[in-house]
Amino acid sequence: ETGVTQTPRHLVMGMTNKKSLKCEQHLGHNAMYWYKQSAKKPLELMFVYNFKEQTENNSVPSRFSPECPNSSHLFLHLHTLQPEDSALYLCASSQSSGVASYEQYFGPGTRLTVT
Amino acid sequence: ILNVEQSPQSLHVQEGDSTNFTCSFPSSNFYALHWYRWETAKSPEALFVMTLNGDEKKKGRISATLNTKEGYSYLYIKGSQPEDSATYLCAPKSGGSYIPTFGRGTSLIVHP
Repeated sequence: ETGVTQTPRHLVMGMTNKKSLKCEQHLGHNAMYWYKQSAKKPLELMFVYNFKEQTENNSVPSRFSPECPNSSHLFLHLHTLQPEDSALYLCASSQSSGVASYEQYFGPGTRLTVT
Repeated sequence: ILNVEQSPQSLHVQEGDSTNFTCSFPSSNFYALHWYRWETAKSPEALFVMTLNGDEKKKGRISATLNTKEGYSYLYIKGSQPEDSATYLCAPKSGGSYIPTFGRGTSLIVHP
């Protein structure tokens, strides 16, 4: 596969469930990102990993737990979510993050519905 | 939180029309600005990365300019085609933040 892939593409979960979103990039990049897109809102950055180290946590509630085992894989572990967490979750990667400006490559997203 | 404004929010044009949109952002501590195109049911796709005041970038019929002193960027589409229909997002890195902050986007619909 090429580019950035995300699984699953759609997820419905109850508020007491635990689930994980997976992102994989095949571009040789060193930075990976999680974004949230809620209805009528701009893309909202959640987390940034650069060379497997978390460099940004944009005040995200602890019910979202990221994991970056290597530069190619990024997970978002979900537990005890709220209905307002229903959104499109996008993963992206870039050559690196920081002052240097590299374009981000986005995955297709996971549409999450919390019931 | 960086204040990024995109206008107009939405735009309907006829095939062949030329159009432009605006992205406004804080001009202090500017690092770069990204433009993305997001077609329905697809992933956002990078159009341009702009870093210098006065930068002009072009890709086919789409071009962009950057004014870092006054904090705005324009995106132009010449001779719009239906396949240009998408949401166009700008994401500046400024105000001391190294992370691009996305605007709400301009939704363009080009009617045949």
